[in-house]
Amino acid sequence: DQQVKQNSPSLSVQEGRISILNCDYTNSMFDYFLWYKKYPAEGPTFLISISSIKDKNEDGRFTVFLNKSAKHLSLHIVPSQPGDSAVYFCAANPSRLTFGEGTQLTVNP
Amino acid sequence: DTGVSQNPRHKITKRGQNVTFRCDPISEHNRLYWYRQTLGQGPEFLTYFQNEAQLEKSRLLSDRFSAERPKGSFSTLEIQRTEQGDSAMYLCASSDDTYTQETQYFGPGTRLLVL
Repeated sequence: DQQVKQNSPSLSVQEGRISILNCDYTNSMFDYFLWYKKYPAEGPTFLISISSIKDKNEDGRFTVFLNKSAKHLSLHIVPSQPGDSAVYFCAANPSRLTFGEGTQLTVNP
Repeated sequence: DTGVSQNPRHKITKRGQNVTFRCDPISEHNRLYWYRQTLGQGPEFLTYFQNEAQLEKSRLLSDRFSAERPKGSFSTLEIQRTEQGDSAMYLCASSDDTYTQETQYFGPGTRLLVL
């Protein structure tokens, strides 16, 4: 039972353009959502989060949008930079995290 | 460095051997989590501690796996009689449950290869 799904295994964008990563969930008990970035052979690094009582949270180049009725969230990165190339995971809790499968983002110079 | 640390970073072992991993959380964090990640998948929850109490275990945690957090600080994860299917990245995370909605911070992971 995949409660958090990232349907795009990969995404390729040009430097300076917007990257949009998507995530869908099924469990209505999820009340806090997080995005992590992961480089090979390293642990996930926390990027940004959003509470279920909000629909948007912004931190620098990163913005997360939450649509509770659609059970959908997205991460926008503007402008995208080559250093953003990594695997991005969305995750949901309370307590233990449930992760999606990840999306490999490649930002081309 | 005040982040989560894990040791060793890499472990190669033969099938049937026992292995033990250590995690040192961020010092003021009272919750500690273990996850496992295999290639192409997101991390999967194994178990977590609130201080020294183990509060939840996933069904992924077979009886060959045991975790401890004896003094509510560092934690160990032991795998007995390792199998090739145990090969994965083992991740530790910690959080502060003072906040209603806690953010978990991960260590660098221990990559296990069972031959």
